[in-house]
Amino acid sequence: AQKITQTQPGMFVQEKEAVTLDCTYDTSDPSYGLFWYKQPSSGEMIFLIYQGSYDQQNATEGRYSLNFQKARKSANLVISASQLGDSAMYFCAMRGRGSRGSIQGAQKLVFGQGTRLTINP
Amino acid sequence: DSGVTQTPKHLITATGQRVTLRCSPRSGDLSVYWYQQSLDQGLQFLIQYYNGEERAKGNILERFSAQQFPDLHSELNLSSLELGDSALYFCASSVGGLGPYEQYFGPGTRLTVT
Repeated sequence: AQKITQTQPGMFVQEKEAVTLDCTYDTSDPSYGLFWYKQPSSGEMIFLIYQGSYDQQNATEGRYSLNFQKARKSANLVISASQLGDSAMYFCAMRGRGSRGSIQGAQKLVFGQGTRLTINP
Repeated sequence: DSGVTQTPKHLITATGQRVTLRCSPRSGDLSVYWYQQSLDQGLQFLIQYYNGEERAKGNILERFSAQQFPDLHSELNLSSLELGDSALYFCASSVGGLGPYEQYFGPGTRLTVT
């Protein structure tokens, strides 16, 4: 079974500073995917970034980058030059297999408990 | 805007009742997923459909059922509702099955059971 652990329930950061949100995972699958989502107070889930387990390079999307350390089973999200609008809940997720194993198209996301990030002016 | 639509946005109903939540995936997406977000359980995967067929099942209660129609929209039916079913229900969609396909989430339906 897949498991995602986010050990930081809350983080407070000054505007314009960089911030790292921690995520560790556990899986026995040789191939997997890791995702980060942002959930603002309005409630919607916004996809931020994806890292595949066989990707050689760390993923980057604008101000977001993923610090992927496969041997340590960690996939930390780094936000550079934080902005007030970055205040939100952040969820790390892993693409795992559904109950039917490897049936084509079977997958689900397993989420961590989330980190609430607050950016202070 | 993710392109995934969900209706209704809010739903308030009484215990024992039955409700239907509706989801329309992004244009071109074949997979639809349902998730439940509650304070005590966090975000939990319920069920996935791919091109009309059930593909994966999570901790979905027997009182809950879902289906995906030929036009690819999906409905989640919740029956014999209990107070503990109060939650935010998300639908997500992706292009296909296995692969680096990110799931795009709808705005959610907030269900309150009184």
